[in-house]
Amino acid sequence: QQQVKQSPQSLIVQKGGIPIINCAYENTAFDYFPWYQQFPGKGPALLIAIRPDVSEKKEGRFTISFNKSAKQFSLHIMDSQPGDSATYFCAATAIHSGNTPLVFGKGTRLSVIA
Amino acid sequence: DVKVTQSSRYLVKRTGEKVFLECVQDMDHENMFWYRQDPGLGLRLIYFSYDVKMKEKGDIPEGYSVSREKKERFSLILESASTNQTSMYLCASSTIPGLAGHIPFFGPGTRLTVL
Repeated sequence: QQQVKQSPQSLIVQKGGIPIINCAYENTAFDYFPWYQQFPGKGPALLIAIRPDVSEKKEGRFTISFNKSAKQFSLHIMDSQPGDSATYFCAATAIHSGNTPLVFGKGTRLSVIA
Repeated sequence: DVKVTQSSRYLVKRTGEKVFLECVQDMDHENMFWYRQDPGLGLRLIYFSYDVKMKEKGDIPEGYSVSREKKERFSLILESASTNQTSMYLCASSTIPGLAGHIPFFGPGTRLTVL
């Protein structure tokens, strides 16, 4: 059972465009939603995270939008650059339940072309 | 900065060999994790550990075992390597919920090829 569904699997945008990656979850116990960025040959690195008590969070050019009623959240990259080309993973966990591991989406490979 | 190191970046083994993948973290984190990453399948949890000598099965523990004798070190063991265990293996560590660093930090990964 896939608890976090991520789409699209791959995405190609022009430099300056706004790629959007979507994730949906079923488990209403999830209360923390991080995004990871992974460059080729590297491990995933935490990019930005959101709790369900806010609908949006921005850090630089990266924005998470969160829709609690729809159980969906998405990552937007403003003014995308070739250096943003990477694989992006959404994830979810239930912090209030104690030490529960992250559940990951399957990833989106983003290519930003000049 | 948190540092999670993995003993090898690339490893080539033969079918049936016993394989050890080592992971060390330097931030005194309580939690450690082993994931494998395959194209189209994302990150799948193999085993995790909340404390020394403790281990919990993840989503795909079959064919693997783990060892955590010291807080900073978490080893993944392939008892008898098979070709379907060819993959990228990622180790991660974190503190407990509520503390800074409670979201896992990942190592660089070990790309294992089983021939």
